[in-house]
Amino acid sequence: DQQVKQNSPSLSVQEGRISILNCDYTNSMFDYFLWYKKYPAEGPTFLISISSIKDKNEDGRFTVFLNKSAKHLSLHIVPSQPGDSAVYFCAAKFNAGKSTFGDGTTLTVKP
Amino acid sequence: DAEITQSPRHKITETGRQVTLACHQTWNHNNMFWYRQDLGHGLRLIHYSYGVQDTNKGEVSDGYSVSRSNTEDLPLTLESAASSQTSVYFCASSGRRRNEQFFGPGTRLTVL
Repeated sequence: DQQVKQNSPSLSVQEGRISILNCDYTNSMFDYFLWYKKYPAEGPTFLISISSIKDKNEDGRFTVFLNKSAKHLSLHIVPSQPGDSAVYFCAAKFNAGKSTFGDGTTLTVKP
Repeated sequence: DAEITQSPRHKITETGRQVTLACHQTWNHNNMFWYRQDLGHGLRLIHYSYGVQDTNKGEVSDGYSVSRSNTEDLPLTLESAASSQTSVYFCASSGRRRNEQFFGPGTRLTVL
């Protein structure tokens, strides 16, 4: 049973518009959530995170929203830029160091 | 600058051979992880370690082993390579009190 799900394999948006990437989880024990970005032929890099005691965290153009009652989080990118085109992984963890990852969403930002 | 490296970056081997993938980090992180990435499956955890002499199985550990003899290295061994182990392998590390992981550049392994 997959505990972290990213139901949209791909998303395409126009440059300057908002990108919204979604993630659902099933385990209510998760207490920390992260987003990673991955370019082709590179390893994933950490983007932004949020603790389960918060419902929003913002870092520049990136904002993560957490809805614990719905077990749902989303990543908003405003405004989207062509350089944001990448695969985005949602991850969740509790207590110790290991994380559970979703399957990823490929974002394409068109100029 | 601190970093995490993997070697080799590309490897082609034959079914049944033993293969070892290297992972080396200079962050002085306690936690290290091995993942495989396959199309449609995201990142799946193979093995992980929370410190020297500590190793734990992840969700897809069959056919793989690791050992942690020092802080910097966590080599991943495929005991007898199978075609199903053709994949891209990522090593990652994280600090004891940090939540985010730092990933290596990956090793693309092909088993013929």
